[in-house]
Amino acid sequence: DTGVSQDPRHKITKRGQNVTFRCDPISEHNRLYWYRQTLGQGPEFLTYFQNEAQLEKSRLLSDRFSAERPKGSFSTLEIQRTEQGDSAMYLCASSLGRDAFFGQGTRLTVV
Amino acid sequence: DAKTTQPPSMDCAEGRAANLPCNHSTISGNEYVYWYRQIHSQGPQYIIHGLKNNETNEMASLIITEDRKSSTLILPHATLRDTAVYYCIVSLSILNSGYSTLTFGKGTMLLVSP
Repeated sequence: DTGVSQDPRHKITKRGQNVTFRCDPISEHNRLYWYRQTLGQGPEFLTYFQNEAQLEKSRLLSDRFSAERPKGSFSTLEIQRTEQGDSAMYLCASSLGRDAFFGQGTRLTVV
Repeated sequence: DAKTTQPPSMDCAEGRAANLPCNHSTISGNEYVYWYRQIHSQGPQYIIHGLKNNETNEMASLIITEDRKSSTLILPHATLRDTAVYYCIVSLSILNSGYSTLTFGKGTMLLVSP
């Protein structure tokens, strides 16, 4: 499969715990995006990487959230001290040109 | 990015054409129109994009009005697997901005029935 891969697909965690998600973009894509989607809403932009540089962060990305893309390949999104409001689908997308390709997402449930 | 307006839901009979409208009256000259769809529990899937001219690919056709204030996505022969939420997005050209973040609205829920 040469698409965007996300791991895990589902994560259930207790409030206050830290979680980390991984995204493997399409191999030649230099641009990588993270989005968050809550029930009944469209995806909301969180952050953007060009190669290893994080060039934009949304105001939605509080200081409990951190994203990295070492060596410009895979990316991780970490949420510290999770809250119930963090429950959502976290989507990763990659692109080389005008169209972005999304992964299947990681569904986070904070209990 | 310009805002878009789409009907919340539409129905279509299997085998018929599905025509999904989108209003983007505040679109600026260098903004593209993108369409994505999202099937339940999956990530969004790119369908098509355009700037001024009508576009067609293996999935759909995109008709953009001459004043660019609205567009229509056409699925020529809808199937049950086309049931999904369809998002119309306007966004800056990659060439101008270097990258483009997509601002999704709530989209149109298209239900294709037998």
